[in-house]
Amino acid sequence: DGGITQSPKYLFRKEGQNVTLSCEQNLNHDAMYWYRQDPGQGLRLIYYSQIVNDFQKGDIAEGYSVSREKKESFPLTVTSAQKNPTAFYLCASSAESGTGNEKLFFGSGTQLSVL
Amino acid sequence: SQQGEEDPQALSIQEGENATMNCSYKTSINNLQWYRQNSGRGLVHLILIRSNEREKHSGRLRVTLDTSKKSSSLLITASRAADTASYFCATVPFQGAQKLVFGQGTRLTINP
Repeated sequence: DGGITQSPKYLFRKEGQNVTLSCEQNLNHDAMYWYRQDPGQGLRLIYYSQIVNDFQKGDIAEGYSVSREKKESFPLTVTSAQKNPTAFYLCASSAESGTGNEKLFFGSGTQLSVL
Repeated sequence: SQQGEEDPQALSIQEGENATMNCSYKTSINNLQWYRQNSGRGLVHLILIRSNEREKHSGRLRVTLDTSKKSSSLLITASRAADTASYFCATVPFQGAQKLVFGQGTRLTINP
């Protein structure tokens, strides 16, 4: 999966609990992204970061938070405010950002389920 | 918001046959990309076609782009069982945030 590591592969969340999904890349890419995928659906953008210490909301940011303290790492926290968190979460990175020509490299995903 | 719509949603063919998937989009684009996703895995980039290109090849893959009809097609020739996957088109809108917008995908099954 192209030098992007997501962990854990499966995660279970109890009601009212915050959980954090890990994403690490060794591709030296500046840009990183988080997507949510529901069964049989396409990908929806949660957050993205074009450079360290900067990130932007995507289409469905409510109930999620991110940080980008290091170039290699872009963790996603699913907060208790996200009432329907069950989904497959995908992290991606790209060498370019904002040019319109970025090709994304994806991790293998984390399946989050609610207990 | 999802801009691309793939057609058909599901396709099942015999090994060795050709598979054609279509993608339609709504607004002008900078480029269009196709990705493959094996079940339970991340997406893999297949091919990028720019708005000023009409056709592009990569191995057994052939992509066409018709900007006047706002549509693209992905052709996989001589299909193999290993081609079984979901295929997504993704577009970068010409205006607005330069971020990829994915369609809902076509689920392709190759029967041996």
